[in-house]
Amino acid sequence: IAGITQAPTSQILAAGRRMTLRCTQDMRHNAMYWYRQDLGLGLRLIHYSNTAGTTGKGEVPDGYSVSRANTDDFPLTLASAVPSQTSVYFCASSTSPWENEQFFGPGTRLTVL
Amino acid sequence: AQSVTQLGSHVSVSEGALVLLRCNYSSSVPPYLFWYVQYPNQGLQLLLKYTTGATLVKGINGFEAEFKKSETSFHLTKPSAHMSDAAEYFCAVRTQGAQKLVFGQGTRLTINP
Repeated sequence: IAGITQAPTSQILAAGRRMTLRCTQDMRHNAMYWYRQDLGLGLRLIHYSNTAGTTGKGEVPDGYSVSRANTDDFPLTLASAVPSQTSVYFCASSTSPWENEQFFGPGTRLTVL
Repeated sequence: AQSVTQLGSHVSVSEGALVLLRCNYSSSVPPYLFWYVQYPNQGLQLLLKYTTGATLVKGINGFEAEFKKSETSFHLTKPSAHMSDAAEYFCAVRTQGAQKLVFGQGTRLTINP
């Protein structure tokens, strides 16, 4: 079934540790996104990629990095996790940056202690 | 800059009653408007969207929304609530020429039997 997969489903992480959240899509979409969801704040864009080989900063990029080596994968890395990065992280994709519909993955629940 | 305000973080209605979830946006140029739904422990799914043309748009599961430019609103309605409608609903805006969606803070809909 075509779609977006994210791993892990959930993770508890000690502060200061490095963590990579994985996102893979098999829809051959050009654009991909990472959001964090926090109660009362909705979804906020962390980083995005319009096409393989390019990335850009969203609304809340500090403490996060991304790479886009190929069309399918868009990993999000926390170099040194802090408790304020406790959140639910969603990966999304769209056929192009200008396409109106984004497709979302199931999310990763991350707790930083 | 564009922004979205959802009035009411939590709405509770009885089964069979009218559902009304409010969304107001700010945008200096014509917007594209969206409603997404998030069921428990899942990612977001597109419910409906307005881009151009008819201002009353119909979505999945009997939901519809009307774009009112004069009121800068895009409220979501359903004539008769069903228990399966219990979820979190997010309004989002993207202005023409912009690549990224901006989400509201979400409204949790509870259906009472």
